[in-house]
Amino acid sequence: DTGVSQDPRHKITKRGQNVTFRCDPISEHNRLYWYRQTLGQGPEFLTYFQNEAQLEKSRLLSDRFSAERPKGSFSTLEIQRTEQGDSAMYLCASSLGTVGGDSPLHFGNGTRLTVT
Amino acid sequence: GEDVEQSLFLSVREGDSSVINCTYTDSSSTYLYWYKQEPGAGLQLLTYIFSNMDMKQDQRLTVLLNKKDKHLSLRIADTQTGDSAIYFCAEYPRGSARQLTFGSGTQLTVLP
Repeated sequence: DTGVSQDPRHKITKRGQNVTFRCDPISEHNRLYWYRQTLGQGPEFLTYFQNEAQLEKSRLLSDRFSAERPKGSFSTLEIQRTEQGDSAMYLCASSLGTVGGDSPLHFGNGTRLTVT
Repeated sequence: GEDVEQSLFLSVREGDSSVINCTYTDSSSTYLYWYKQEPGAGLQLLTYIFSNMDMKQDQRLTVLLNKKDKHLSLRIADTQTGDSAIYFCAEYPRGSARQLTFGSGTQLTVLP
């Protein structure tokens, strides 16, 4: 399968714990995005990388959130001291070069986080 | 996304056409997209249209763009039960820092 892969698919954690998610983009894609989706809403942009450089972070990304893409391939998203409001689906997407008709975002199946 | 609006629900009978509507606010949007999301899955790109086009057809899908009214629609011909899903429109504004802005999605239910 050459699509975007995310791990784990589901994560249940207690409030205050740290969690880390992983995303493996399509291999030749140089851009990688993280989005968050809550129930009944569309995805909301969190951050994106061009190769290993994190070029933009949304105001939604509080200082408890950190994302890395150390070698320009896979990426991790860590949430520290989780809160119940962090419960959501975390979606990763990748694209080749500039977002456009010929370089659309390809999404993974997401990691569903439940904070109890 | 507050800048992209869609109606929440649509029900159609199998074999009929479905029309899902979307309005957006940023007139500088360069590309507009339609994604499909099935339960428990990520988003699947269905089709897209560039802002200098009025219409795009791709098999059973037809996208219409009215730039004056900032209105986008997706028509699905001969709707099948497998088309039941949530459909999101998304805009990519000119000058945007590499992000798509999504609507809240339209839940399409296809009745037998």
